[in-house]
Amino acid sequence: NAGVTQTPKFQVLKTGQSMTLQCAQDMNHNSMYWYRQDPGMGLRLIYYSASEGTTDKGEVPNGYNVSRLNKREFSLRLESAAPSQTSVYFCASNRGGISYEQYFGPGTRLTVT
Amino acid sequence: SQQGEEDPQALSIQEGENATMNCSYKTSINNLQWYRQNSGRGLVHLILIRSNEREKHSGRLRVTLDTSKKSSSLLITASRAADTASYFCATPNFGNEKLTFGTGTRLTIIP
Repeated sequence: NAGVTQTPKFQVLKTGQSMTLQCAQDMNHNSMYWYRQDPGMGLRLIYYSASEGTTDKGEVPNGYNVSRLNKREFSLRLESAAPSQTSVYFCASNRGGISYEQYFGPGTRLTVT
Repeated sequence: SQQGEEDPQALSIQEGENATMNCSYKTSINNLQWYRQNSGRGLVHLILIRSNEREKHSGRLRVTLDTSKKSSSLLITASRAADTASYFCATPNFGNEKLTFGTGTRLTIIP
């Protein structure tokens, strides 16, 4: 099992450009999550999907959109990138809800210039 | 917002020594989770302790939970160079069904 995979690993964007971060899991998990990690801030939840067909905002959703394409895949889109979105982005999944451990992908390091 | 706060922020010890880090949180929980993050990698789940448990072991890890003090500790015994990483506690917020992570303890093991 690959677990949680993310693409790309690195990306540099210019201000105003758009891009989609891809995430897939092969553990038949119901819930999937997108976090960003900034120095000194810990992980902050951007969006999550409790189950296929549902998505909800997290702590810092502004400037992002998500799509739960199917049970395996959960993508994060930046429509118009800003320097404040320079961060490391992590996707995670679990069997469902906050009473279970989460499994994380390797991350995408995004720089917006 | 409810958040686990780890203490200390950074810790350096000699290989073979024990490392202890603490987490405090603000509201009632039904579980608390600890994760490890090696430099440049994703987080890895270490252990989950439920509110009706006081202590839990996994290999060289020992986690305690004191719900009356709203605190938890993670003890790593007989540390190894490979334990060098950041360690995070995470607590559930049932108000919004989200898991909140602290800012982490950066542990350095000196060979």
